[in-house]
Amino acid sequence: DGGITQSPKYLFRKEGQNVTLSCEQNLNHDAMYWYRQDPGQGLRLIYYSQIVNDFQKGDIAEGYSVSREKKESFPLTVTSAQKNPTAFYLCASSIRRPAYEQYFGPGTRLTVT
Amino acid sequence: QKEVEQDPGPLSVPEGAIVSLNCTYSNSAFQYFMWYRQYSRKGPELLMYTYSSGNKEDGRFTAQVDKSSKYISLFIRDSQPSDSATYLCAMSTTGNQFYFGTGTSLTVIP
Repeated sequence: DGGITQSPKYLFRKEGQNVTLSCEQNLNHDAMYWYRQDPGQGLRLIYYSQIVNDFQKGDIAEGYSVSREKKESFPLTVTSAQKNPTAFYLCASSIRRPAYEQYFGPGTRLTVT
Repeated sequence: QKEVEQDPGPLSVPEGAIVSLNCTYSNSAFQYFMWYRQYSRKGPELLMYTYSSGNKEDGRFTAQVDKSSKYISLFIRDSQPSDSATYLCAMSTTGNQFYFGTGTSLTVIP
């Protein structure tokens, strides 16, 4: 089955700890994206990557980091510098451009206490 | 002012009704317009996309773009209980970075 997987589905961390969210796709898509979804705010872009070893900041990149060492994988690290990390995180992928047909993963719900 | 405005609802309709969902936007450079459906605790799935202005129909769904009014709509005909979900609009200038609405929660009552 082709698609995007995110793991884990639920993640709990203590404040001050870094945490890495996994995103893998087997759709052979060049572009991958990380979004954050909060109630009443819609999806906001954190980072995106058009090709391996290259990525750009989105609107809310502060406190987050990413890597793109393989085409299939785009992990997101939520660092202790992120002030409000508790949220629903969604990974997506698409053909490179135009990327109107983004395929989303099932999401990871991160809770930091 | 947000780039994209969407009424969060909630919207509740009887089965078989025609549903109208709308978004307005401020950036006249937007030219890619999408509608996504998101079930609770799931990732969004693409329903419709249009490039530039005009209408697009796919089964029970019709997407309309009015660039002169900076207004897009999604119509659902013969709505079903399985259509109960949150509907997100999204738009882009280059087809690269997208701006999403906050989503409209729809419930179709049997």
